[in-house]
Amino acid sequence: GENVEQHPSTLSVQEGDSAVIKCTYSDSASNYFPWYKQELGKGPQLIIDIRSNVGEKKDQRIAVTLNKTAKHFSLHITETQPEDSAVYFCAAIPNTGNQFYFGTGTSLTVIP
Amino acid sequence: GAVVSQHPSWVICKSGTSVKIECRSLDFQATTMFWYRQFPKQSLMLMATSNEGSKATYEQGVEKDKFLINHASLTLSTLTVTSAHPEDSSFYICSAISGRRYEQYFGPGTRLTVT
Repeated sequence: GENVEQHPSTLSVQEGDSAVIKCTYSDSASNYFPWYKQELGKGPQLIIDIRSNVGEKKDQRIAVTLNKTAKHFSLHITETQPEDSAVYFCAAIPNTGNQFYFGTGTSLTVIP
Repeated sequence: GAVVSQHPSWVICKSGTSVKIECRSLDFQATTMFWYRQFPKQSLMLMATSNEGSKATYEQGVEKDKFLINHASLTLSTLTVTSAHPEDSSFYICSAISGRRYEQYFGPGTRLTVT
């Protein structure tokens, strides 16, 4: 099955700086890669996603890049703000099913 | 976006009792719902996949007789933790697929504490 690895597990940045979180996957059949933000005591919320036919997608301060050859994708948050502090999960979904394979999460802290 | 609700948001129960958690898709019909368990500072662990009108598919290591899942309609799935024990204390999260299989929406979670 699919195996998703996520790094780093914790990340602290100064407000206004950029944050980058990286994930790798093992199954070349995976073709959908969403990113979720989870605040304490709440369920995950989709913040951005990318499909395998696209190399990059941007939504305001958030962007995701995908390298299919290397089987890795990254989340980029620019001009970070304290409200960006949360746990971020990546996921990969093979085209053979609908199960989401999640990364282990990154706890992001934005220091004011 | 699509909204998924869970009820209750938190529950405390005594060891040996059963607890039911509801997951509802509020503005769409969900043919498939998932149930996850999450321990503090850990990722989501898929427990089971629930399809409307059929038996749930449980992940390896999840006791189907302990975690009863019912997906009676296209908008409601329930998870019943039977004979709960303190080790069942956890954060339980459901999610639902709207029809496009990539679009999975999560509920806000239910914090279960078994004393």
